[in-house]
Amino acid sequence: QKEVEQNSGPLSVPEGAIASLNCTYSDRGSQSFFWYRQYSGKSPELIMFIYSNGDKEDGRFTAQLNKASQYVSLLIRDSQPSDSATYLCAVDYGGSQGNLIFGKGTKLSVKP
Amino acid sequence: ETGVTQTPRHLVMGMTNKKSLKCEQHLGHNAMYWYKQSAKKPLELMFVYSLEERVENNSVPSRFSPECPNSSHLFLHLHTLQPEDSALYLCASSQEGALEQYFGPGTRLTVT
Repeated sequence: QKEVEQNSGPLSVPEGAIASLNCTYSDRGSQSFFWYRQYSGKSPELIMFIYSNGDKEDGRFTAQLNKASQYVSLLIRDSQPSDSATYLCAVDYGGSQGNLIFGKGTKLSVKP
Repeated sequence: ETGVTQTPRHLVMGMTNKKSLKCEQHLGHNAMYWYKQSAKKPLELMFVYSLEERVENNSVPSRFSPECPNSSHLFLHLHTLQPEDSALYLCASSQEGALEQYFGPGTRLTVT
């Protein structure tokens, strides 16, 4: 059973702090990892993807991948109230086209 | 706007009704997906079409029937649904061979 695990939260951080969202996955063969942001009542929006071990930075967002530990994280620097949303981790297990397995998501709340 | 549209946005149907959900993408992609999102559960992949051929069917009940007439359009035909089928149905698209998927706004389905 291929699984993606996330802490459901809610994770509460003050405005301006760093929010750290974590995700673990079960299959060592996984190659591609994605973070989606989903505002309440809206659809998921792709914000980051990472394929190689290490860090990938895009603005205030940094994705970190450690394949040996089967762990991927998303850091949000200088968190803003507008970052309050549910963050979904998705893992591609290979095989046929686009077979992403999603975690249940972590709800982030940024307090002003 | 992600370039993926879905209609209707909300749908209430009885268990004996037949209805269809429509998805259209304007991104020039050639792979399309149907997902189901229920409360407290991760996104579940239902169907994948790549180059207009179905490549994935994740053990979805036959009361859900997909149709992909061309690379820009995707339908989900619904008949004799159950109340537990009430959920948010999301369409996504990607370039064939690529893993980054872009979601439409979803159809909120209620089965009474």
